[in-house]
Amino acid sequence: AQSVTQLDSQVPVFEEAPVELRCNYSSSVSVYLFWYVQYPNQGLQLLLKYLSGSTLVESINGFEAEFNKSQTSFHLRKPSVHISDTAEYFCAVSYSSASKIIFGSGTRLSIRP
Amino acid sequence: GAGVSQSPSNKVTEKGKDVELRCDPISGHTALYWYRQSLGQGLEFLIYFQGNSAPDKSGLPSDRFSAERTGGSVSTLTIQRTQQEDSAVYLCASSPDTGNTLYGYTFGSGTRLTVV
Repeated sequence: AQSVTQLDSQVPVFEEAPVELRCNYSSSVSVYLFWYVQYPNQGLQLLLKYLSGSTLVESINGFEAEFNKSQTSFHLRKPSVHISDTAEYFCAVSYSSASKIIFGSGTRLSIRP
Repeated sequence: GAGVSQSPSNKVTEKGKDVELRCDPISGHTALYWYRQSLGQGLEFLIYFQGNSAPDKSGLPSDRFSAERTGGSVSTLTIQRTQQEDSAVYLCASSPDTGNTLYGYTFGSGTRLTVV
């Protein structure tokens, strides 16, 4: 069955520290991969996506994610986090022949000053 | 419209009552999706519309749940005889896709449903 696993439900980090939020998906020949972010009391917003081509994709606020086909992973990273990055992050996958996106259970990122 | 609009933003209802949740997608978006977000859970897919038809309604949890879309635009999710386990945030999203998720989704702010 198609699925997405986010291994950490919560990740606490100190401000300006690096962070990695892990995501694995069930294997398939062709996938689209997404990270969505939900800031407190706001709706979900698309952070970045991988469709094809370069395996490293970046967002405008310093996050990046790398598509690793052999490990079926799409981990999200940021070298130095800010208080404003406090949010819940959802990894998602679409099997490109499919009509819907499947979401992981989310990782709550909390930043300590 | 400029974004995906959902109404009401909050709904408190008594167990056993019926509720209707409305979604107004971005103008021109042909694909519309309903998801449910429960406390501590991820997003659970409910149903997908392409135009006015629903090729995939596999996520509807029971026959108490139904949805329709008219004019290729507004969609209504109806929950009959609500139960406490129906309490969740119901999210609507739309996409310009014609059966492909290439663009990702634009989400509305959701309707928080509380069944008491």
